[in-house]
Amino acid sequence: QKEVEQDPGPLSVPEGAIVSLNCTYSNSAFQYFMWYRQYSRKGPELLMYTYSSGNKEDGRFTAQVDKSSKYISLFIRDSQPSDSATYLCAMSAFWGAGANNLFFGTGTRLTVIP
Amino acid sequence: GAGVSQSPSNKVTEKGKDVELRCDPISGHTALYWYRQSLGQGLEFLIYFQGNSAPDKSGLPSDRFSAERTGGSVSTLTIQRTQQEDSAVYLCASSLARLGQYFGPGTRLTVL
Repeated sequence: QKEVEQDPGPLSVPEGAIVSLNCTYSNSAFQYFMWYRQYSRKGPELLMYTYSSGNKEDGRFTAQVDKSSKYISLFIRDSQPSDSATYLCAMSAFWGAGANNLFFGTGTRLTVIP
Repeated sequence: GAGVSQSPSNKVTEKGKDVELRCDPISGHTALYWYRQSLGQGLEFLIYFQGNSAPDKSGLPSDRFSAERTGGSVSTLTIQRTQQEDSAVYLCASSLARLGQYFGPGTRLTVL
């Protein structure tokens, strides 16, 4: 079983829709949860990060963590064509640079249709 | 400010040849990571540097892969005797003590 599971999609939605992207994980030690956005032929860029359970909002983006279910989500409101990208979740048990301590999902490819 | 840069952006090579991929991290970032990204496979961790030392090489897939970092800055990933299964996008990331890693655009390697 992989440490982090993520539905690869692809996911296509009409412009303005609410998008829900999800990951599940198996390691209960994970405490730090990140979402990266990767445009085609670009490197991933850090979108949001959260610590432990709860919600975090940044503009049209909301990150949600449910540690009891080992489930994290990223919601995108009023989705735009410019949101079309691959979204990768990542998580870690530790804060701070070090070793192979960041575990990534495989990414969900999202297309927002104008 | 400048982000992480990688060169070349694309590399096509013949099976059996050696290749060198370069990463210039963000100035001042002490941690540097190499990942490999294959279609549908997600990010595969290869190696991590703290300064010039590599405390974790556990992700290197074989002894054909090696990496070094000099002056606490530029890093080179070398793949010897390339194989077709080495074809992938090789991503470099750097960070400070914080967890957020900043990625470069990657080098797309194609082994014919």
